[in-house]
Amino acid sequence: GENVEQHPSTLSVQEGDSAVIKCTYSDSASNYFPWYKQELGKRPQLIIDIRSNVGEKKDQRIAVTLNKTAKHFSLHITETQPEDSAVYFCAANPNTGFQKLVFGTGTRLLVSP
Amino acid sequence: DSGVTQTPKHLITATGQRVTLRCSPRSGDLSVYWYQQSLDQGLQFLIHYYNGEERAKGNILERFSAQQFPDLHSELNLSSLELGDSALYFCASSDRVGYTFGSGTRLTVV
Repeated sequence: GENVEQHPSTLSVQEGDSAVIKCTYSDSASNYFPWYKQELGKRPQLIIDIRSNVGEKKDQRIAVTLNKTAKHFSLHITETQPEDSAVYFCAANPNTGFQKLVFGTGTRLLVSP
Repeated sequence: DSGVTQTPKHLITATGQRVTLRCSPRSGDLSVYWYQQSLDQGLQFLIHYYNGEERAKGNILERFSAQQFPDLHSELNLSSLELGDSALYFCASSDRVGYTFGSGTRLTVV
């Protein structure tokens, strides 16, 4: 089955710096890759996603890139702000016909003022 | 409000007891997924229901069971509770595009 690895597990940056979180997946049939942000004690919320027919997608300060050949995708956050501090999860959807996301282990991002 | 409703928000119970967590998906979503998140851990997939039928099982213990009713709400039953079952339990519903999570039920077993 699908396996998603996520790195780093923790990431500390200064406000204004960029942050990059990387994920690799094992199932070449996976075709949908969302990213979720989870603040402490709250529900994971979708922040951006990308499908396998697209190489890059951007939404204001966040962007996701996908390399299907290498089977990895990355989340890029530019001009980080303290409110970006949270745990970020990547996920992959094996193309089973029914949405079942396989999540990475999460990255705790800390943005210091 | 995500549209996915989970009750109760908090639950404190003793070891050996049985509890039921409830989830109502977003209007129109047929799929419900249950995840367990222990302290500082990732999201562990438990089970998936689609339109009343079980579709996939993850690392769900035999002491746990779930069902989805005709009105599409789902219940997760946890029995013979152990201290290690303390966690946040999330459900999510899907419209085949993405997941929307509920706010979770925080279960504390004492």
